[in-house]
Amino acid sequence: GQSLEQPSEVTAVEGAIVQINCTYQTSGFYGLSWYQQHDGGAPTFLSYNGLDGLEETGRFSSFLSRSDSYGYLLLQELQMKDSASYFCAVRDNYGQNFVFGPGTRLSVLP
Amino acid sequence: EAGVTQFPSHSVIEKGQTVTLRCDPISGHDNLYWYRRVMGKEIKFLLHFVKESKQDESGMPNNRFLAERTGGTYSTLKVQPAELEDSGVYFCASSQEGGRDAEKLFFGSGTQLSVL
Repeated sequence: GQSLEQPSEVTAVEGAIVQINCTYQTSGFYGLSWYQQHDGGAPTFLSYNGLDGLEETGRFSSFLSRSDSYGYLLLQELQMKDSASYFCAVRDNYGQNFVFGPGTRLSVLP
Repeated sequence: EAGVTQFPSHSVIEKGQTVTLRCDPISGHDNLYWYRRVMGKEIKFLLHFVKESKQDESGMPNNRFLAERTGGTYSTLKVQPAELEDSGVYFCASSQEGGRDAEKLFFGSGTQLSVL
């Protein structure tokens, strides 16, 4: 089976940098993705890491270390609108379903 | 380009009744997934279609849940009879087939199901 762990809550102030970690256990591994979900909204795709290293998309970056079964999402220059839940998701093999982590609720304070 | 659409957005039914949820994926997306989020907890996988075929339905909780995707276009998820524990938000997601595009799920806004 698969399992993922994330911190349940993170709080930071506007303009700060925050890192949300994700550790996973899978029988195989195809890639790690990150999604953002605002209250009452749909999850939206943020990033995907198939290989080790850092992927950067604007203020958001995602990192993967396959040897450590670990990844993180880095949010820079935090804005109030970044307050949301963030989910990591893994797929153990191509063609299989995505398994989501429990989610991290980020609160950005003024 | 139209996104993933789900209908209805909300449904309130009584225990024992039947409810059918519908999902229209993005045109051309072969992969279609159903997920459920209960009480603000994790997003749990229900099943995965590739075109009209069920690729994986290991997440379906029991035989009260039936999903179809006739013709490989829209999908329906029927709950019959509904129980209290079926309450939650049901999300549909779709993705393209093949390569890096298959890793990006596009979610619908979900159906909030309340079973009373």
